Amino acid sequence: RKEVEQDPGPFNVPEGATVAFNCTYSNSASQSFFWYRQDCRKEPKLLMSVYSSGNEDGRFTAQLNRASQYISLLIRDSKLSDSATYLCVVKRYGGSQGNLIFGKGTKLSVKP
Amino acid sequence: EAGVTQFPSHSVIEKGQTVTLRCDPISGHDNLYWYRRVMGKEIKFLLHFVKESKQDESGMPNNRFLAERTGGTYSTLKVQPAELEDSGVYFCASSPQGGGNTIYFGEGSWLTVV
Repeated sequence: RKEVEQDPGPFNVPEGATVAFNCTYSNSASQSFFWYRQDCRKEPKLLMSVYSSGNEDGRFTAQLNRASQYISLLIRDSKLSDSATYLCVVKRYGGSQGNLIFGKGTKLSVKP
Repeated sequence: EAGVTQFPSHSVIEKGQTVTLRCDPISGHDNLYWYRRVMGKEIKFLLHFVKESKQDESGMPNNRFLAERTGGTYSTLKVQPAELEDSGVYFCASSPQGGGNTIYFGEGSWLTVV
């Protein structure tokens, strides 16, 4: 079983739709949680960190459920420019700063 | 300000040959990381330098891979001898000391071993 699991998609949605990404992690010692965005053949970029209380950044909302070891990302009013692969990323407790565990990513395609 | 730069951007080599990938981190960043993504798999951490010292090399797959960061500036990742399964994209990233969670990635070096 992979340490970080995501639905591979692709998710094909129309502009303006709300889309939700889910992610589960298997290591209960995981400490920090992130969503990264990766455009085709480009580098990953940090979208947002995920906190236990949940956090929001504009149209993006991230949630963490430690008991269920589950992380989510909600995108409201999706734009064409949101088309990308969304990577769920976890850092283990005690691991070095960059010792990140990546999911395989969920591809999103927003259509006009 | 320049971001993380990697060279070469693409490389095609034969099995058994040697390839050296170079990474120039953002100026002033003490932390430098290498990752790779092989075909069909997720991105995996390889190692972490703090300045010239290896802080964590738990992700290095085997002794065919050698990473160096002499002088604590740029880093090289050498694969010798390359195998077919080494094909993929190798990302370098950097972050400042005490810089929180943001890690800045380079665009990657795409390696194809034939």
